[in-house]
Amino acid sequence: EIVMTQSPATLSVSPGERATLSCRASQSVSSNLAWFQQKPGQAPRLLIYGASTRATGMPARFSGSGSGTEFTLTISSLQSEDFVVYYCQQYNNWPPLTFGGGTKVEIK
Amino acid sequence: EVQLVESGGGLVQPGGSLRLSCAASGFTFSSYDMNWVRQAPGKGLEWVSFISTGGSIIYYADSVKGRFTISRDNAKNSLYLQMNSLRAEDTAIYYCARHSVVPTAQWGQGTLVTVSS
Repeated sequence: EIVMTQSPATLSVSPGERATLSCRASQSVSSNLAWFQQKPGQAPRLLIYGASTRATGMPARFSGSGSGTEFTLTISSLQSEDFVVYYCQQYNNWPPLTFGGGTKVEIK
Repeated sequence: EVQLVESGGGLVQPGGSLRLSCAASGFTFSSYDMNWVRQAPGKGLEWVSFISTGGSIIYYADSVKGRFTISRDNAKNSLYLQMNSLRAEDTAIYYCARHSVVPTAQWGQGTLVTVSS
């Protein structure tokens, strides 16, 4: 099973600033890495797939990078609606599909 | 518009059973693989099960293998999860998710299962 580790668990950032979230895989997942955004009381929503491709309708301030075992989600200028939880998921080698533990982005 | 609507959640005693349903609309259900994913209260996401378009390929997480059964009825545009021998640790919101660009590209709103005496 591929273990996904996200850091930090909580990220404190001021509105308008840049946020950088990390996700590490226990073995290479190539570029088969997705990021999800989850707002309180809602289902997760696909944000990025293929490590760097924005899903339909997702704002350009969200970008993904990385390959192999190290990945980054960057939010270029945080808006109020961005202060929520983000999960990474690998889909290179499954079952099982595995998710990281999540990063909560909070207002500083 | 893709819509996935889960139902069937509720309160059940340990050792009990529950059947979840996921009604799909807005797309050709029979053409898409499907998954169930769960989220314990205040916790992260855990993949539960996968079923291929025709139901011939099925996978389960080790934590539910032998207790849960995934199935689908393409004529009814519906996905199911039969959950038996439920445990307290199965308490979670259960989401159905459609596979497209990634295995869990679109999600329903979820249904809450609470296992407690």
